[in-house]
Amino acid sequence: AQSVTQPDIHITVSEGASLELRCNYSYGATPYLFWYVQSPGQGLQLLLKYFSGDTLVQGIKGFEAEFKRSQSSFNLRKPSVHWSDAAEYFCAVGLHNQGGKLIFGQGTELSVKP
Amino acid sequence: DAGVIQSPRHEVTEMGQEVTLRCKPISGHDYLFWYRQTMMRGLELLIYFNNNVPIDDSGMPEDRFSAKMPNASFSTLKIQPSEPRDSAVYFCASSLSGVGAFFGQGTRLTVV
Repeated sequence: AQSVTQPDIHITVSEGASLELRCNYSYGATPYLFWYVQSPGQGLQLLLKYFSGDTLVQGIKGFEAEFKRSQSSFNLRKPSVHWSDAAEYFCAVGLHNQGGKLIFGQGTELSVKP
Repeated sequence: DAGVIQSPRHEVTEMGQEVTLRCKPISGHDYLFWYRQTMMRGLELLIYFNNNVPIDDSGMPEDRFSAKMPNASFSTLKIQPSEPRDSAVYFCASSLSGVGAFFGQGTRLTVV
């Protein structure tokens, strides 16, 4: 069955430090992969997506993610975190043979300390 | 485009009452999804439509839940009768060709 694992429930980083959020997936075919961000009381905003091609994808707000097929991973990175990046981050697999429905990980809550 | 629009943003209702959540997808999108978010279960898909037709409702928890999409610009999710365990945030999302969904702001439902 398809699944997404985000091993870190909560991460705290200092403002200006680099960030990496981990995501591992289980899917029988080449996946569509996504990262979403959710601020408190808000909906989910699409940060970036991977369908095919270049395995390093750039997104909004200075985020990037790298698809590694051998590791079944799609980790999210940012070189320098801003206080406004504090939010919950969700990795998701899109099932392109099921209308693109998304299977989400449990999320990683990011705190940024000054 | 204003994005996916959901109403109401907040709903408080008494157990046993009917609740209707509404969604207007992004114009031109052909897929519409209803998700539910809870602390215990995270984000889970309830149902999705393609060109207004329900395709997969396997995530709908019980017969108390129903969803309709009478046209390309409107969908409803109805719970009748509502129960306290239905308390959650309900998201509507839409996408073009089923790839990369855009989410609404959600409806926070509280059933007391």
